Amino acid sequence: GAGVSQSPSNKVTEKGKDVELRCDPISGHTALYWYRQSLGQGLEFLIYFQGNSAPDKSGLPSDRFSAERTGGSVSTLTIQRTQQEDSAVYLCASSSRDRSYEQYFGPGTRLTVT
Amino acid sequence: RKEVEQDPGPFNVPEGATVAFNCTYSNSASQSFFWYRQDCRKEPKLLMSVYSSGNEDGRFTAQLNRASQYISLLIRDSKLSDSATYLCVVKGNTGGFKTIFGAGTRLFVKA
Repeated sequence: GAGVSQSPSNKVTEKGKDVELRCDPISGHTALYWYRQSLGQGLEFLIYFQGNSAPDKSGLPSDRFSAERTGGSVSTLTIQRTQQEDSAVYLCASSSRDRSYEQYFGPGTRLTVT
Repeated sequence: RKEVEQDPGPFNVPEGATVAFNCTYSNSASQSFFWYRQDCRKEPKLLMSVYSSGNEDGRFTAQLNRASQYISLLIRDSKLSDSATYLCVVKGNTGGFKTIFGAGTRLFVKA
């Protein structure tokens, strides 16, 4: 079946612009995670959605970052007034309720802020 | 102190060697532990869960020491295809599901 998909695969934007990154989780997966990974670094947790529960936003680095998950499926991560330090690969992952320990990752969106 | 710490390596080993990675975590309330593998410029993929009693999957053995708060991964008979970054992952129960990834240990297996 289809895996987690993300779009765009690459995004180059100018400092100060807003960007939207999209994630399509695996159908039927109730949990969705956003991470970011800077070059040579580990994954930094950003936000977590589980069903209709309030999201865990504890990893969002600033109020310029926000995320939505509509209809319990597709999620959008928005970064407002982008800064150069926002440059990273943004990874989305999803997991099912009965195998919540296994996260399936999308290929990521490589964001470059110039 | 980082919540999950790993030796970044790189570990350079010949084919057939046995190599071990350790990972320490700071939150004693952590509930679940995993090893993920990430190939260069690829997304992470689950390698194996880590159980309290230790578990083995083929050439891979994972151990958990709750008292000392560390996790280990042992790879026996290394293959070229084992070359990757190995990520230690710790999952707590605070707020439900926050998952912390270590920065990873790079492994290069050479012929």
